[in-house]
Amino acid sequence: EAEVAQSPRYKITEKSQAVAFWCDPISGHATLYWYRQILGQGPELLVQFQDESVVDDSQLPKDRFSAERLKGVDSTLKIQPAELGDSAMYLCASSLRLNTEAFFGQGTRLTVV
Amino acid sequence: AQSVTQLDSQVPVFEEAPVELRCNYSSSVSVYLFWYVQYPNQGLQLLLKYLSGSTLVESINGFEAEFNKSQTSFHLRKPSVHISDTAEYFCAVSAYQAGTALIFGKGTTLSVSS
Repeated sequence: EAEVAQSPRYKITEKSQAVAFWCDPISGHATLYWYRQILGQGPELLVQFQDESVVDDSQLPKDRFSAERLKGVDSTLKIQPAELGDSAMYLCASSLRLNTEAFFGQGTRLTVV
Repeated sequence: AQSVTQLDSQVPVFEEAPVELRCNYSSSVSVYLFWYVQYPNQGLQLLLKYLSGSTLVESINGFEAEFNKSQTSFHLRKPSVHISDTAEYFCAVSAYQAGTALIFGKGTTLSVSS
């Protein structure tokens, strides 16, 4: 069964350092999402791509976060510099097209110390 | 804009008892509705969805949800729960128009005990 792949699964980093997460969506899925999930909360959208174009990044803290999806396939989310408040689960999801159900990866658990 | 309210943060039940997890949404346009389940340190798994057609939708593991447009609700039910149903459940909504990502509620923790 096709899955959304994310790496790493866990990441511990010191504040002020740079960190990056990688996501490979299900083959053929044009839409890719990055969500952040704080412990005990629901996922919140950071950025949404349609192919290689950003559809919505209104909730992405652009002073420290960046996301790209070169060639419209896999994607990287970067944080620089990391802050203590960035500790959370970062979830990548993909869907066949806009507005259909999203399939999630296992997530990357980030701890900033 | 859309929003989702999950009315119960925690629902403790005994095994084989029925359960209902409540979800209300707000939207000025037509919506799609979803329930996802999350086990500890895992991603979210789609449980069931309402896109159109019959307002009662079912999952393969015995859950069902009913779309009620007049009450703007999409409550999740199961007539008899198992220990293995213990997890976090999230209700989500997306607008019936291109370009809108899923918006999630804060989640309901279902704890099933023997």
